[in-house]
Amino acid sequence: AQKITQTQPGMFVQEKEAVTLDCTYDTSDQSYGLFWYKQPSSGEMIFLIYQGSYDEQNATEGRYSLNFQKARKSANLVISASQLGDSAMYFCAMGTGNQFYFGTGTSLTVIP
Amino acid sequence: DTAVSQTPKYLVTQMGNDKSIKCEQNLGHDTMYWYKQDSKKFLKIMFSYNNKELIINETVPNRFSPKSPDKAHLNLHINSLELGDSAVYFCASSQDGLAGIDTQYFGPGTRLTVL
Repeated sequence: AQKITQTQPGMFVQEKEAVTLDCTYDTSDQSYGLFWYKQPSSGEMIFLIYQGSYDEQNATEGRYSLNFQKARKSANLVISASQLGDSAMYFCAMGTGNQFYFGTGTSLTVIP
Repeated sequence: DTAVSQTPKYLVTQMGNDKSIKCEQNLGHDTMYWYKQDSKKFLKIMFSYNNKELIINETVPNRFSPKSPDKAHLNLHINSLELGDSAVYFCASSQDGLAGIDTQYFGPGTRLTVL
């Protein structure tokens, strides 16, 4: 069963606008973590943001924020004030126990 | 001061050959991982080691064998390479291997092409 679902294979956003990348997850564990990674065309995997299942506040890191809705099992990434350098693949991931699961990714293109 | 490094970055080889990919981390982390990213960008964990002990061993062919000489190194050896092994292989590390709270930091990846 798929643990992490990213339903948007590709997204476009105008420069300086905000964009939301969707992620839903599936687990029966009470303790888990949700992560977002960025993979630019150069190929490296860059950690962006983390949300723990017990965290009551949504995580924020600079222009990145994680919209965590536990009851809906969603952990959407919001990028504010998009920049051209934000064009990349974005992966949602979940860690639970000693397992780590990645979604299929969303390709984001920022249009000048 | 690279945190997680892998060598080589590119590896082109013939079917049937044996090859190794090396990974080193200088973060002082206890847990290291190998992932495979296929042509559709799907990332799947292959192995994880905590303090030189194998923790996760997903269903990968026996031709893949990880080796951890110490907790800062996790190498991946692949025997009898096949066309389907062509992919990008990522090494990663995390502090304790507690997947729910530990962020994994990735190396730059090794693009393996089997001809």
